[in-house]
Amino acid sequence: DGGITQSPKYLFRKEGQNVTLSCEQNLNHDAMYWYRQDPGQGLRLIYYSQIVNDFQKGDIAEGYSVSREKKESFPLTVTSAQKNPTAFYLCATSPGQGNYGYTFGSGTRLTVV
Amino acid sequence: AQKITQTQPGMFVQEKEAVTLDCTYDTSDPSYGLFWYKQPSSGEMIFLIYQGSYDQQNATEGRYSLNFQKARKSANLVISASQLGDSAMYFCAMREEYGNNRLAFGKGNQVVVIP
Repeated sequence: DGGITQSPKYLFRKEGQNVTLSCEQNLNHDAMYWYRQDPGQGLRLIYYSQIVNDFQKGDIAEGYSVSREKKESFPLTVTSAQKNPTAFYLCATSPGQGNYGYTFGSGTRLTVV
Repeated sequence: AQKITQTQPGMFVQEKEAVTLDCTYDTSDPSYGLFWYKQPSSGEMIFLIYQGSYDQQNATEGRYSLNFQKARKSANLVISASQLGDSAMYFCAMREEYGNNRLAFGKGNQVVVIP
């Protein structure tokens, strides 16, 4: 079955540590996205990538970094510079240009302890 | 400026009744798409329904229908015959043709279906 795999589902991090969230897809979609969701809030775009080896900042990119070395993979690193990293992180993909919606992964819940 | 506005407080709905979730949007792009997603407590985002800006008819998908009023820039979701499994957060989103394929989301509507 085609889909998006986000791992791990729950992640705990000590303050000051970097942590990388995984997002892998086998949908052959060109575009991939990372969103952050805080309790009771909507989704805010962190980074997105429309093709391999290219990515753009979203609305809240500070304290985060990404890479897109393969079409299937778009890992997100939450760095120690992110002041308030505890949140629910969702990865999404879409086929590319056009009025396509997104397919979402099941999310990673990050807690800083 | 906020592109998608969802302002209703949390809603309680009796099972088997219909519920309407409001969504207004802001764009100057003539070509855009509107989407509704459901997010149950497990966290995954489930696509429900899509409406294109040039579509003449309101979109329908099973128990979901979209009341699209282009002049008013509103795209309200109607869920008919509510079921207990409809309890979730519902998000309206918009994708503009010239917006780098980004989906802009509203803050969501909480729906609780009661037996």
